[in-house]
Amino acid sequence: NAGVTQTPKFQVLKTGQSMTLQCAQDMNHEYMSWYRQDPGMGLRLIHYSVGAGITDQGEVPNGYNVSRSTTEDFPLRLLSAAPSQTSVYFCASSRQGGSPLHFGNGTRLTVT
Amino acid sequence: DQQVKQNSPSLSVQEGRISILNCDYTNSMFDYFLWYKKYPAEGPTFLISISSIKDKNEDGRFTVFLNKSAKHLSLHIVPSQPGDSAVYFCAAKNKNAGNNRKLIWGLGTSLAVNP
Repeated sequence: NAGVTQTPKFQVLKTGQSMTLQCAQDMNHEYMSWYRQDPGMGLRLIHYSVGAGITDQGEVPNGYNVSRSTTEDFPLRLLSAAPSQTSVYFCASSRQGGSPLHFGNGTRLTVT
Repeated sequence: DQQVKQNSPSLSVQEGRISILNCDYTNSMFDYFLWYKKYPAEGPTFLISISSIKDKNEDGRFTVFLNKSAKHLSLHIVPSQPGDSAVYFCAAKNKNAGNNRKLIWGLGTSLAVNP
């Protein structure tokens, strides 16, 4: 029972590079979301999805894109990485928008 | 502007004693509250929740108390164990935010339970 799986665990990028953070869940959850955690800022919602084909913006969506082509996968794309995107990124899912979230173990991203 | 505040960044407790973690909120539209626990290098895990129609919810060693008039909730852990050492996040939902109700998070309290 894998739950929410995030890859990679660590990543270092140079400014301007692009990459995709992968997130997959095997619980058949409809709701998926991406958060970033920064010191002194708590957890901030980047984007979320209430089902395949549906995505919406959270509090801090700028610089990130998402898509939800299947129920299981919810990748987060950084189109042109900036040092301000250095953070720990968490993917989370739940049965529906109001249910408790299940989190992955995070991706620690450093942009130099 | 923090709508969910955890004013104690850290707390240290002896094993076997009670741990009390506090959370204050400012928005009277919040109607559901959750506590998550986070170990280093792991994602947060759901611990316990409470609806605004209740003032207490208990699950084993964990009890959450809600005081709506004071806009305050607390998480009690009795007895505390070294394995409870983690960061605890308080989170809230707004009843007016629809079905896709996003969580509003506190900044967390780091609990250390000393043997």
